[in-house]
Amino acid sequence: DTGVSQDPRHKITKRGQNVTFRCDPISEHNRLYWYRQTLGQGPEFLTYFQNEAQLEKSRLLSDRFSAERPKGSFSTLEIQRTEQGDSAMYLCASSNSTVEENYGYTFGSGTRLTVV
Amino acid sequence: AQTVTQSQPEMSVQEAETVTLSCTYDTSESNYYLFWYKQPPSRQMILVIRQEAYKQQNATENRFSVNFQKAAKSFSLKISDSQLGDTAMYFCAFMSNSGYALNFGKGTSLLVTP
Repeated sequence: DTGVSQDPRHKITKRGQNVTFRCDPISEHNRLYWYRQTLGQGPEFLTYFQNEAQLEKSRLLSDRFSAERPKGSFSTLEIQRTEQGDSAMYLCASSNSTVEENYGYTFGSGTRLTVV
Repeated sequence: AQTVTQSQPEMSVQEAETVTLSCTYDTSESNYYLFWYKQPPSRQMILVIRQEAYKQQNATENRFSVNFQKAAKSFSLKISDSQLGDTAMYFCAFMSNSGYALNFGKGTSLLVTP
């Protein structure tokens, strides 16, 4: 296992289109997180899964955003009717709650979304 | 909500010198975790060092060490013997003992020059 993988690395889309990103966590990690990072800012929490259950969603996650983690493995983040304000880096991270708690996450390289 | 403040948007240091990055945070909790993450240009975020608030001893990882002042709610990162590969954005982050979400500061851009 080589770490957290995210696909695609870059996505350019026209305003109003739908986009979907994929994240493959480290295989033994049962927790998966999505963050959004805009230019000049630190990452902001979007949502969190433990296994297949989505346990928390930030207020940043409007109803145009939906995330899934079927079977507790990979996760997808979909943005419907994209807006220019959605342009950002979308980061996925994973961790293992059965190991020492709060050790921090392993992040993926992110998907950079540009809405034109 | 906990807030994390990094007051230095940019810093520069010469190779082999020592640099300290500042971070302050605001919380009413007594148990929590603090992290420093490094994000090189166009590369993934990497955990540099972690500190548990209930431990008085400052964490150390090779050339990286922290100065954790719980009463002052300060968590600075010291990089000794700076190397060119240390050039990156550095983010300070807070996690509640009962939580799972990281609250990040805005970051400090560190440039290591020859």
